[in-house]
Amino acid sequence: DSGVTQTPKHLITATGQRVTLRCSPRSGDLSVYWYQQSLDQGLQFLIQYYNGEERAKGNILERFSAQQFPDLHSELNLSSLELGDSALYFCASSPSAGVTEKLFFGSGTQLSVL
Amino acid sequence: AQTVTQSQPEMSVQEAETVTLSCTYDTSENNYYLFWYKQPPSRQMILVIRQEAYKQQNATENRFSVNFQKAAKSFSLKISDSQLGDTAMYFCAFVPEGETSGSRLTFGEGTQLTVNP
Repeated sequence: DSGVTQTPKHLITATGQRVTLRCSPRSGDLSVYWYQQSLDQGLQFLIQYYNGEERAKGNILERFSAQQFPDLHSELNLSSLELGDSALYFCASSPSAGVTEKLFFGSGTQLSVL
Repeated sequence: AQTVTQSQPEMSVQEAETVTLSCTYDTSENNYYLFWYKQPPSRQMILVIRQEAYKQQNATENRFSVNFQKAAKSFSLKISDSQLGDTAMYFCAFVPEGETSGSRLTFGEGTQLTVNP
């Protein structure tokens, strides 16, 4: 168990809808990363938050947004969902903002857009 | 931009034998880190081993070791005494040391390793 908790584990929704994925980092970790894993795109970095502030942005669509709250949990909001958004969404955490640190991954949220 | 390539989509090995997974990468950075992560059927990504590019010595973690060839931009993973629990998707990953915007872990396509009894 990595200590990173993601909810829900599975999510089925329809095109055009909006969903929120939640992540609780390991105790004491200040950085939260979001990654998307899909069959055609592989594993892609979406966004990183450090201590409540956006730290880095990767291949995140404008329809997607994220935030990190004062208690350090993070939420990834996906709106106007399309079939191609179906993927496994991972959250990972690390103690600081350092990019070379070991990341601790959650078990992911499997999103299916029908 | 960095790219990471794993040319072996699938591999299999007999229990107790040794297997080597290949990874190449392309970068203009001089200082960077390389990782191997495994993703078992449980889906969770687990760090296997990490290598700093400035270190000549190859990293080892118990049965796992790497062959890091900086000039060739090659970073292979050797698993000795393979165990059934090693069955997983293995991802090679790269990150430059500097905090360039968006420069977080870049993953390869993955290699599905199956350990047969």
